[in-house]
Amino acid sequence: EPEVTQTPSHQVTQMGQEVILRCVPISNHLYFYWYRQILGQKVEFLVSFYNNEISEKSEIFDDQFSVERPDGSNFTLKIRSTKLEDSAMYFCASSETWDMGEKLFFGSGTQLSVL
Amino acid sequence: RKEVEQDPGPFNVPEGATVAFNCTYSNSASQSFFWYRQDCRKEPKLLMSVYSSGNEDGRFTAQLNRASQYISLLIRDSKLSDSATYLCVVKGAQTGGSYIPTFGRGTSLIVHP
Repeated sequence: EPEVTQTPSHQVTQMGQEVILRCVPISNHLYFYWYRQILGQKVEFLVSFYNNEISEKSEIFDDQFSVERPDGSNFTLKIRSTKLEDSAMYFCASSETWDMGEKLFFGSGTQLSVL
Repeated sequence: RKEVEQDPGPFNVPEGATVAFNCTYSNSASQSFFWYRQDCRKEPKLLMSVYSSGNEDGRFTAQLNRASQYISLLIRDSKLSDSATYLCVVKGAQTGGSYIPTFGRGTSLIVHP
């Protein structure tokens, strides 16, 4: 079964450093998402991406965050200057269409620890 | 009122028990509903979509009550392997026309021998 892959699985960084989280969505999917989950809290939407541009973003997704699809397969999330509160599990997801009944496929996540 | 609300539990049940979870949503215009399962420190995985007429998949039954704005998940004959967090996901939960899937906080289920 096709799957969404994320790298790295764990990332440790110092506060103020830039990090790039990488995702390879399922190949025929057109819609991509980043979610995050702080330990013990709910899965929170960050941003959605379609046709090489952001389609929606949440209040969490401020100027410190950016997304990019640098080639035909990768989808990246960049945090420019990490803060302690950015420590969380970051999940990439993709879907084939925007249909209301369409489900999301999630990657296994990148655990980001900001020290 | 939170957009998607769930009782966090934990629900602690013996093997073989029947257990039910509810999830309420605040936006009456919400369009699509799903139950996902999340194991500890893992990604959410789709358990089932929830259809207006209700639907069943083996031991799992999902119901939608639009009038009262809640969905439910019933698990019959619980197995140890059902222990997980069950996430309610609603599309169209947010006001203003967004159809981004919005997650509830999840309900923790522990099935013991």
